[in-house]
Amino acid sequence: EIVMTQSPATLSVSPGARATLSCRASQSVGSNLAWYQQKPGQAPRLLIYGASTRATGIPARFSGSGSGTEFTLTISSLQSEDFAVYYCQQFNNWPQTFGQGTKVEIK
Amino acid sequence: QLQLQESGPGLVKPSETLSLTCTVSGDSISSSHYYWGWIRQPPGKGLEWIGSIYYSGSTYNNPSLKSRVTISVDTSKNQFSLKLNSVTAADTAVYFCARQYPGSSQPDALDYWGQGTVVTVSS
Repeated sequence: EIVMTQSPATLSVSPGARATLSCRASQSVGSNLAWYQQKPGQAPRLLIYGASTRATGIPARFSGSGSGTEFTLTISSLQSEDFAVYYCQQFNNWPQTFGQGTKVEIK
Repeated sequence: QLQLQESGPGLVKPSETLSLTCTVSGDSISSSHYYWGWIRQPPGKGLEWIGSIYYSGSTYNNPSLKSRVTISVDTSKNQFSLKLNSVTAADTAVYFCARQYPGSSQPDALDYWGQGTVVTVSS
């Protein structure tokens, strides 16, 4: 099973600042990676799939990059509604697995 | 607008079977080319993919749950279901259903989710 490791566990960022979240895979997953945002009491929301393609309706301030084992989610200018937990998911190898999440909190 | 809604008992006794149904509206399970999946989230923890099904009945299940999982589909009701047997307290979680893109080797990104339903395993 591929282990997805996200860092940092918690990221403290000021509104308007840039946030960079990392996701590392224990072996190559190609570009078969997605990012999700989850707010308290809500279901996750798909942000990015194919490592870098924004899902429908996702603002341009969210961008994904990387391939193989190293991936990054960047939020260019944090808005109040962006403070949440972010998960990466690989679906290159079976079973598909999620990272443990990065919490983005207000600094 | 596609919507998914989970339903089922919120409390299950240890060693019994957890049964949940996901009702899909706004899209037909049998006419789309998506997979339909189950994901769970224990209290305060991360996400775990349970398994997914295609309208034809083809399934992918997480081997970590061994043979305890059965996922089925009822196209006439536009629903799919999850059964998890021999439950323990470790199966206490929020259970989500979701639509999944059909990937090249297995279902991939989950683009529409239900709101989730809390299932507690306790006597």
